[in-house]
Amino acid sequence: QKEVEQDPGPLSVPEGAIVSLNCTYSNSAFQYFMWYRQYSRKGPELLMYTYSSGNKEDGRFTAQVDKSSKYISLFIRDSQPSDSATYLCAVLADRGSTLGRLYFGRGTQLTVWP
Amino acid sequence: NAGVTQTPKFRVLKTGQSMTLLCAQDMNHEYMYWYRQDPGMGLRLIHYSVGEGTTAKGEVPDGYNVSRLKKQNFLLGLESAAPSQTSVYFCASSYFGLADGSDTQYFGPGTRLTVL
Repeated sequence: QKEVEQDPGPLSVPEGAIVSLNCTYSNSAFQYFMWYRQYSRKGPELLMYTYSSGNKEDGRFTAQVDKSSKYISLFIRDSQPSDSATYLCAVLADRGSTLGRLYFGRGTQLTVWP
Repeated sequence: NAGVTQTPKFRVLKTGQSMTLLCAQDMNHEYMYWYRQDPGMGLRLIHYSVGEGTTAKGEVPDGYNVSRLKKQNFLLGLESAAPSQTSVYFCASSYFGLADGSDTQYFGPGTRLTVL
């Protein structure tokens, strides 16, 4: 079983729609949860991160973690064509280690059409 | 301030050939990483470095070697390329090496490698 599972999509929505992107993870030891955005032929960039359960909001983006069901979500409100990208979730168990092992989902490809 | 740069951007190799990928960062970061990204597999850590002169194995290190002779550079080498190493390679760097969002990993633009 992979540490993180993510539906690769593709997901296609009209401009202005609410987008929901989701991942599940296997190990309850994971405490840190991140979302990266990757535009075509570019490197990933950190979009949001959360610690433990709960919600975190940043503009049109909301990250949500449900540790009881090992489920993480990213919501995008009022989606824009510029949001078209691949979104990768990532989880981390041990913040205190030298590196902190990061596990990535395989990414969900999102297209927002005008 | 260029951030993280990677050289080359594209490369085609024949099986058995060798090559070196160069990563450079100008942010004075201590930690540097090499990932590979394959369709359906996500990003996987190959090797990493916690400072000049140090290297360590990641999740998928076999077939690769790395060196960190200078703080700003991290080299990834393929001694005898195999078709299974066809992938997009990303370099990243961070200051503290904590992989949670409090210490952002900055990624380079990637190198697309094809091994025939």
